[in-house]
Amino acid sequence: EPEVTQTPSHQVTQMGQEVILRCVPISNHLYFYWYRQILGQKVEFLVSFYNNEISEKSEIFDDQFSVERPDGSNFTLKIRSTKLEDSAMYFCASSGGTSGAYNEQFFGPGTRLTVL
Amino acid sequence: AQSVTQLGSHVSVSEGALVLLRCNYSSSVPPYLFWYVQYPNQGLQLLLKYTSAATLVKGINGFEAEFKKSETSFHLTKPSAHMSDAAEYFCAVMDNYGQNFVFGPGTRLSVLP
Repeated sequence: EPEVTQTPSHQVTQMGQEVILRCVPISNHLYFYWYRQILGQKVEFLVSFYNNEISEKSEIFDDQFSVERPDGSNFTLKIRSTKLEDSAMYFCASSGGTSGAYNEQFFGPGTRLTVL
Repeated sequence: AQSVTQLGSHVSVSEGALVLLRCNYSSSVPPYLFWYVQYPNQGLQLLLKYTSAATLVKGINGFEAEFKKSETSFHLTKPSAHMSDAAEYFCAVMDNYGQNFVFGPGTRLSVLP
């Protein structure tokens, strides 16, 4: 069964460093998403991406964040200068079809980011 | 704006007992509703979803949920809890205009032997 994969599973970085979290969505999906979950808190939407551009983003997704689909398979989240409060589990998700709003989002296993 | 509330951040039940996890939503348009489960150190797995078809939705692992528009609720139930059901459960709502989910705060289910 196709699944969303994410690498690495755990990333440790120093405050101020740049990190790139990688995701491989399900191959025929058209919509891509990033969410984060701070330890012990709820899952929060960051950004959605369709047709090579951001379709929606939350207040959390400030100028420190960017997303990219550099090739036909990967979808990345970059944090330019990490802060301690960026420590969280980051989930990638994808959904398919021509009207993606109606489709289930499939989630990856997450990348745990620890900022020291 | 949509929102989701889950009554009870932690629910404990005995093995074999009924599981009831509560979810209430607010949405200005007919919503799509989802329950996800998160096992320790794992990602989110879809349990079931409501997308305006039958109001009683059956999911995986014996779970089901009923959409009640009058109560703006989508409570998750399972007749008999199993030890393996211990996990965090998230209710989520998505309207038919957007693509992003709004998640509830989650309910941690503990199953006691």
